[in-house]
Amino acid sequence: EVRLLESGGGLIQPGGSLRLSCAASGFTFSSYAMSWVRQAPGKGLEWVSVITVSGSRTHYADSVKGRFTISRDNSKNTLNLQLNSLRVEDTAVYYCAKHDSSSYFYVLDQWGQGVLVTVSS
Amino acid sequence: SYVLTQPPSVSVAPGKTATITCGGSDFRGKSFQWYQQRPGQAPMLVIYYDTARPSGIPERFSGSKSGNTATLTISRVEAADEADYYCQVWESSGNQDVVFGGGTKLTVL
Repeated sequence: EVRLLESGGGLIQPGGSLRLSCAASGFTFSSYAMSWVRQAPGKGLEWVSVITVSGSRTHYADSVKGRFTISRDNSKNTLNLQLNSLRVEDTAVYYCAKHDSSSYFYVLDQWGQGVLVTVSS
Repeated sequence: SYVLTQPPSVSVAPGKTATITCGGSDFRGKSFQWYQQRPGQAPMLVIYYDTARPSGIPERFSGSKSGNTATLTISRVEAADEADYYCQVWESSGNQDVVFGGGTKLTVL
C-alpha cells in the first residue's frame, strides 16, 4: 500500500521559514517524480512544485518561485519542501503527491493527507 | 499561464447523471485528469489520460474530451459522490506547470 506522510507544518510568522517533509512507503520512491500541491482554507487546489527522480529537474509555480525549494533524498524515501520568506497568503494545507512517471508530470496518482501551514503574526 | 475553467457548482438528484465540464484553450497534446475531494479528505484520482479509470474507481465515473472542453460524467449518482471535483493538465510543451481547474462542488439533492 502506498503511503505518503507529511510533517513539519505549524504556525509561523510572516517572513519566517519552515521545512516540510513527506515520508514515502509502499512503492519504489526513486522511480517516480513527486509534487507538492497546496490548498488555502476554503479554496481550490494549487500546484506548488515538482521534482524528477534524480532531482535534476525542478519546477515551481510563479507564486513561490525564488522562495520555496523542493528536494528529495532517495536513500531515505523522503520528499522535502523548504519554505522561506513566508507570506500570509502561503497559509494552506500542503499535500505531497506522487506522479505516475519518472519524468512526465501528467498524473498525480497518490496523495498524502496533508499538513497545515499557518502564516500569521 | 494556462487556465482551466470549471462551473463552481453542479446539483443532481440521486440516480441521475452528473456532468462536470472543464474548459480551456488549445487542448492539443494535453491529457486531462480528474480528482475527487470529499470534505476533510485528500484529493483522489478518478480519471486519468482523459478517459482511463484507476483500479477501484466505479465504472459510473467516465471522462471525455471534445473541442476545448473536457467532461467528467458520473452516472447513477450516489450520496457518497458529493464532493469537490478538479480537472488538471500538465503544460508539457510550455513552462512545465501542473495546472488545476478551480473546482466544482457536486451536490447530491
